[in-house]
Amino acid sequence: EAQVTQNPRYLITVTGKKLTVTCSQNMNHEYMSWYRQDPGLGLRQIYYSMNVEVTDKGDVPEGYKVSRKEKRNFPLILESPSPNQTSLYFCASTDRVGVGTDTQYFGPGTRLTVL
Amino acid sequence: GQQVMQIPQYQHVQEGEDFTTYCNSSTTLSNIQWYKQRPGGHPVFLIQLVKSGEVKKQKRLTFQFGEAKKNSSLHITATQTTDVGTYFCAGHRGSTLGRLYFGRGTQLTVWP
Repeated sequence: EAQVTQNPRYLITVTGKKLTVTCSQNMNHEYMSWYRQDPGLGLRQIYYSMNVEVTDKGDVPEGYKVSRKEKRNFPLILESPSPNQTSLYFCASTDRVGVGTDTQYFGPGTRLTVL
Repeated sequence: GQQVMQIPQYQHVQEGEDFTTYCNSSTTLSNIQWYKQRPGGHPVFLIQLVKSGEVKKQKRLTFQFGEAKKNSSLHITATQTTDVGTYFCAGHRGSTLGRLYFGRGTQLTVWP
């Protein structure tokens, strides 16, 4: 089954304690992306990756890091989480971007609370 | 600032009524995508439009992309309770292909 998986699904942590949210896709997609969703603000892109070893900033990259060492995985790293990073996070992937039908598949989401 | 504006933020309709959500970008988009997110769920891709003036239909849903490729709309005819959710538009700009700009979404409530 084609899917994007994220772990953990729920996480409560404290300020300053480094954490990693994993994302994996089994569709051999080149493009992967991270979004955060906050009430009233919709989805905002954090980072994206056009391919292995190619990453770039989205709208709200501050406080986050990513890496793309292999095609299927795109972890999101919070080196020193702060309460304003409390949010619902989605990972997504697609085969290509731009012109052409490029269905973007979203993971189930990770609800993060930083105390 | 917000690159893609979407209105209305909320819409409450009675089952059987029509529903429309509008998206407007400050700059020309290379494409427009529409997503639906059910309460407690994740966004699900509905469709992508890429041509100026393009219109696509999926059963009761009609999607339009403006002539200038700066605006778009999603129209649902005769809503059903299964249409409940938040509808998002999102677009790429040609200069930064990987960046996807989302509207803030329209939350649709349908009462029987």
